[in-house]
Amino acid sequence: DTAVSQTPKYLVTQMGNDKSIKCEQNLGHDTMYWYKQDSKKFLKIMFSYNNKELIINETVPNRFSPKSPDKAHLNLHINSLELGDSAVYFCASSLRGQGFTEAFFGQGTRLTVV
Amino acid sequence: AQTVTQSQPEMSVQEAETVTLSCTYDTSENNYYLFWYKQPPSRQMILVIRQEAYKQQNATENRFSVNFQKAAKSFSLKISDSQLGDTAMYFCAFMKHRTGTDKLIFGTGTRLQVFP
Repeated sequence: DTAVSQTPKYLVTQMGNDKSIKCEQNLGHDTMYWYKQDSKKFLKIMFSYNNKELIINETVPNRFSPKSPDKAHLNLHINSLELGDSAVYFCASSLRGQGFTEAFFGQGTRLTVV
Repeated sequence: AQTVTQSQPEMSVQEAETVTLSCTYDTSENNYYLFWYKQPPSRQMILVIRQEAYKQQNATENRFSVNFQKAAKSFSLKISDSQLGDTAMYFCAFMKHRTGTDKLIFGTGTRLQVFP
């Protein structure tokens, strides 16, 4: 069973379009994250949600809007896509409460904006 | 602000040999976590090993072990008996201890190639 799953794995789209990436975890974790990996492989946090509440928002353009309908899901919607948005986006989850765990990552979504 | 530095962009090792990947970090925190993640060509991020700063004993996971030097803010990863499947990008990461800002701060990565 996949612990953290993202869809789609690959996404190719034109500039100006709006797209969404979905993430689901079945680990019972209470915290979910979006990380961005750029072309040089550098990973950086974008957002973090704990029990559906936004707790980290790292100077990300407001074209990016995360949504957490419940603890097991964290989606990322991107408006007016730009060439510079091309990257791999990783969803992750962890447990912050008792029994703290490290972050478990999804397989990533490679977004290519043309 | 915390920073993580991996000074070796690329490393190579022959199968069955031992290799050590370096990581240093900067923080004023006393309690924190350190991690090594592996990213093979499949792109999946896989946890290799984790270390709690309050634990003096170095973490080990089978062929993987760390040398954690808290005073020197150093956290190196030793891979023993290297296998072809160890070929991957390796990322060192830092996280504060349960402060409510549980973000991982990553280094720039070390690309490890294991040769037969």
